[in-house]
Amino acid sequence: GQNIDQPTEMTATEGAIVQINCTYQTSGFNGLFWYQQHAGEAPTFLSYNVLDGLEEKGRFSSFLSRSKGYSYLLLKELQMKDSASYLCAVRGTNSGGYQKVTFGTGTKLQVIP
Amino acid sequence: GAVVSQHPSWVICKSGTSVKIECRSLDFQATTMFWYRQFPKQSLMLMATSNEGSKATYEQGVEKDKFLINHASLTLSTLTVTSAHPEDSSFYICSARVSGGLTEAFFGQGTRLTVV
Repeated sequence: GQNIDQPTEMTATEGAIVQINCTYQTSGFNGLFWYQQHAGEAPTFLSYNVLDGLEEKGRFSSFLSRSKGYSYLLLKELQMKDSASYLCAVRGTNSGGYQKVTFGTGTKLQVIP
Repeated sequence: GAVVSQHPSWVICKSGTSVKIECRSLDFQATTMFWYRQFPKQSLMLMATSNEGSKATYEQGVEKDKFLINHASLTLSTLTVTSAHPEDSSFYICSARVSGGLTEAFFGQGTRLTVV
């Protein structure tokens, strides 16, 4: 099966940098996603990593190490609107042999002034 | 980016009735759509994978006779919650994969279902 672990909550200051970690275990790894989800809304796609390394997209960067089963999402120059839950999701192969995306429980980030 | 429209955004229904939720890909063709359910403060749980023109694949523990999925075209999938009960109250979200794409990166707005 698939197992994803990320911190439940984090707090950071406006203008600062925050790193949200995600560790995972899966069979047939085929990509890791990060999503942002505001309360009561659907998730919004942030990034997709399938190879090791850092992917940078504006204020957001995502890193992947497949050998360590580890990823992080880095948010720079934090803004109040970045307060949301950040979901780590992994695509792998389930027990039935087909590919499936499994979501972590999400990290609720609170940005304070 | 690609747009996925989900309708309705919220619905309240009486226990025992059925509710249909639509998921449309507005500007792309989606051979595969995914239906998730999210309870408060919990993660998204995949319910089923919907493939155009074929039967949906349900996750373990999800009753296929209760949650009817139809994917009749490349731009529309529907989820019908039959004989709804209060415990079915949840946030239902669909996502769609661009045909030939690697990611199912695009989510609908979600539907808040409340069964009273």
